[in-house]
Amino acid sequence: AQSVTQPDIHITVSEGASLELRCNYSYGATPYLFWYVQSPGQGLQLLLKYFSGDTLVQGIKGFEAEFKRSQSSFNLRKPSVHWSDAAEYFCAVGAMNSGGYQKVTFGIGTKLQVIP
Amino acid sequence: DSGVTQTPKHLITATGQRVTLRCSPRSGDLSVYWYQQSLDQGLQFLIQYYNGEERAKGNILERFSAQQFPDLHSELNLSSLELGDSALYFCASSEQGTYGYTFGSGTRLTVV
Repeated sequence: AQSVTQPDIHITVSEGASLELRCNYSYGATPYLFWYVQSPGQGLQLLLKYFSGDTLVQGIKGFEAEFKRSQSSFNLRKPSVHWSDAAEYFCAVGAMNSGGYQKVTFGIGTKLQVIP
Repeated sequence: DSGVTQTPKHLITATGQRVTLRCSPRSGDLSVYWYQQSLDQGLQFLIQYYNGEERAKGNILERFSAQQFPDLHSELNLSSLELGDSALYFCASSEQGTYGYTFGSGTRLTVV
């Protein structure tokens, strides 16, 4: 069974500082990995996804993530955080069965606070 | 606007009651997924439908049921509501063979 661990429940960074949110996954085969962002009172928005190929993935809003198979990690990064990035971030791992039906498992989320 | 529509946005009801949450998937998406998000449980997968048929079940209580109609919209029915059922309920949709979901903005259910 697939699983996702986000070890940091809350993270506080200063505006303009760099950001790295950690994600570790467990899955027997090649994983499909995602990062979603949820602003207060909103649904989840897809930031980026990794299926194969280049292990450094670029997403929206200036985010990127790096897949490291040896570490079973898919950490999310941003070089300079903006106050509007304050939100909750979810890492997820997906699998597709032979019938083309996917199952996506989400981590517990990391709440990002941005201070001036 | 993600293209996935959920109604109502907010719902307040009493314990023991029954409610129905509605979801219209993004145009062209045949799969619908329901998730419950609460403070202590995180984002929990409830159930998945594909083109009207149930495809996967997660941590869905027996008091809860869902269906997907021929026009592809889906309804999640919650009955004999308890205080602990208060949560955000999200619907998501996807195309077959593609990865990643598109989420709706959710229905916030408060049971009093």
